[in-house]
Amino acid sequence: DGGITQSPKYLFRKEGQNVTLSCEQNLNHDAMYWYRQDPGQGLRLIYYSQIVNDFQKGDIAEGYSVSREKKESFPLTVTSAQKNPTAFYLCASSPGQDEAFFGQGTRLTVV
Amino acid sequence: GENVEQHPSTLSVQEGDSAVIKCTYSDSASNYFPWYKQELGKGPQLIIDIRSNVGEKKDQRIAVTLNKTAKHFSLHITETQPEDSAVYFCAAITGYSTLTFGKGTMLLVSP
Repeated sequence: DGGITQSPKYLFRKEGQNVTLSCEQNLNHDAMYWYRQDPGQGLRLIYYSQIVNDFQKGDIAEGYSVSREKKESFPLTVTSAQKNPTAFYLCASSPGQDEAFFGQGTRLTVV
Repeated sequence: GENVEQHPSTLSVQEGDSAVIKCTYSDSASNYFPWYKQELGKGPQLIIDIRSNVGEKKDQRIAVTLNKTAKHFSLHITETQPEDSAVYFCAAITGYSTLTFGKGTMLLVSP
């Protein structure tokens, strides 16, 4: 059953902690993306990777880090430098330069 | 970079009516325009897309039209049903860039 799997579905973080969100895909897609979604703001690009061992900053990369050691995996770390991390985080993958397929999201809440 | 404007932000219709959501884009080189449907608490799902060499595309009750001269594209849903209620996002992409999303339209279909 092919698709994009994000885990966990819900995540709680204490102030000052780093947390890592998982994204795995078995679609054999080269490109992977992380978006942040806030109410009324649409989807904003955090980081993207078009090939293994390479990634680029998106529009709101500050306070986030990523790695792309394997084609299937693109984890996102929300660091303590991210001042307002509470949001819905979406991972996506794409076989080329256009159509993107999304996971079911991780809702991160700072407590 | 690309800028995508989406209107309206909310749309309420009666079951059986048609719904139209409009988007404009800024970069005349954009060549791919997908539409996504997002249900509450889930990731966006690609429902239809159109490329710049096509003016219209239909898939059962949904259709997308593209006017390259005016740089706008629209989603048309006919015979709306309560299960069509969701947030809809348009997006645009230019060559080797990444998708730029509109801010979304919340569609509510009342029985």
